[in-house]
Amino acid sequence: DIQMTQSPSTLSASVGDRVTITCRASQSISRWLAWYQQKPGKAPKLLIYKASNLESGVPSRFSGSGSGTELTLTISSLQPDDFATYYCQQYNSYPYTFGQGTKLEI
Amino acid sequence: QVQLVQSGAEVKKPGASVKVSCLASGYTFISYVIHWVRQAPGQSLEWMGWINSGNGNTKYSQKFQGRVTIVRDTSASTAYLEVNSLTSEDTAVYYCARGGWPYSGLDVWGQGTTVTVSS
Repeated sequence: DIQMTQSPSTLSASVGDRVTITCRASQSISRWLAWYQQKPGKAPKLLIYKASNLESGVPSRFSGSGSGTELTLTISSLQPDDFATYYCQQYNSYPYTFGQGTKLEI
Repeated sequence: QVQLVQSGAEVKKPGASVKVSCLASGYTFISYVIHWVRQAPGQSLEWMGWINSGNGNTKYSQKFQGRVTIVRDTSASTAYLEVNSLTSEDTAVYYCARGGWPYSGLDVWGQGTTVTVSS
């Protein structure tokens, strides 16, 4: 199985900050990566697919980049609604695996 | 609107089975794949498998092969997840989610079904 490791596990930031979350894969996944946002007690929400494609309706302050074994999610200017937990998911090979999550807090 | 609505919370004893349903509406059911993902308390997400709602083909994570079954009823626009031989480690929120073909992420999620396994 491909292991996905996110860093950091917890990120403290303020409204207006630019933040980056990194997802490292145990082997190359090309660009087959999705990013999700999850708030407590809610289902995840798809933000980005195929590494850098913004899902419809997702604000443009979210962006994704990278390929191979290191991919990133960037939020250009944090808004109050962005404080949540973020997960990456690889879909290069089965089983599709998720990172352990990055909790973005104030 | 496009939505997936799951069945209610379940409490099961170890060794029992559970079947969770996922009712789709607002889109053409047979044109998409339904995935199942679970999340144990305080843990990350774990992908379990998918079913092609059109032709019924399935793919399971090796971890769950033989213990999990995913089926669908196209007349009811509903997918089902059945998990057998439950243990306390199966206590989790189980989500169904819609995926495209080819896969491009899970764009619509059910609200989640809490399954608690306890003696």
